Amino acid sequence: GAVVSQHPSRVICKSGTSVKIECRSLDFQATTMFWYRQFPKQSLMLMATSNEGSKATYEQGVEKDKFLINHASLTLSTLTVTSAHPEDSSFYICSARLHQGFWSTEAFFGQGTRLTVV
Amino acid sequence: DQQVKQNSPSLSVQEGRISILNCDYTNSMFDYFLWYKKYPAEGPTFLISISSIKDKNEDGRFTVFLNKSAKHLSLHIVPSQPGDSAVYFCAASAGETSGSRLTFGEGTQLTVNP
Repeated sequence: GAVVSQHPSRVICKSGTSVKIECRSLDFQATTMFWYRQFPKQSLMLMATSNEGSKATYEQGVEKDKFLINHASLTLSTLTVTSAHPEDSSFYICSARLHQGFWSTEAFFGQGTRLTVV
Repeated sequence: DQQVKQNSPSLSVQEGRISILNCDYTNSMFDYFLWYKKYPAEGPTFLISISSIKDKNEDGRFTVFLNKSAKHLSLHIVPSQPGDSAVYFCAASAGETSGSRLTFGEGTQLTVNP
């Protein structure tokens, strides 16, 4: 099946620094990618929808200036956590949907990135 | 406003028996539903999906049932295996295009005991 690759899988950074997370669709083109955040023992919360060639659409309550999203090509979206704080520590996951048939549109997920801000 | 709810945070079953995971939704615009399996520190893995024009979809040991009038779907795993132990998420979308966002339930931790 289609593969979505996310990098890095784990990152530790100091407060105040910025961290970039990459999400690539390896064998298909994704005009839309989704960024999720998961807190321990909680659901995946959609942060924003990344659209190739245009601005990302952010969910209510998500600071667009803090979580910068760039969808530079049909195979790459990046999420940059700017001026990271310990409360930004979380598990971030990207996703892209692929239409595989009339009644099948799966969403494929990256491996996730565990961000720890110290 | 939790539009997709999985009311059971955990479920424990014996190997070989059936596992039934439940999911309820409130948004009548949802017309496509998916189940994902997730291990800690990994991204979700797609299991099975169902469109609102169907009421059942089967793939090997996994069957998803959809009851539109009750806004309820369930995932049946039979026979259950220890390797099935994971968190299972139900997800829903309004539309099947690549730009249609998914809304996830809270997840159910399934434990299959040998």
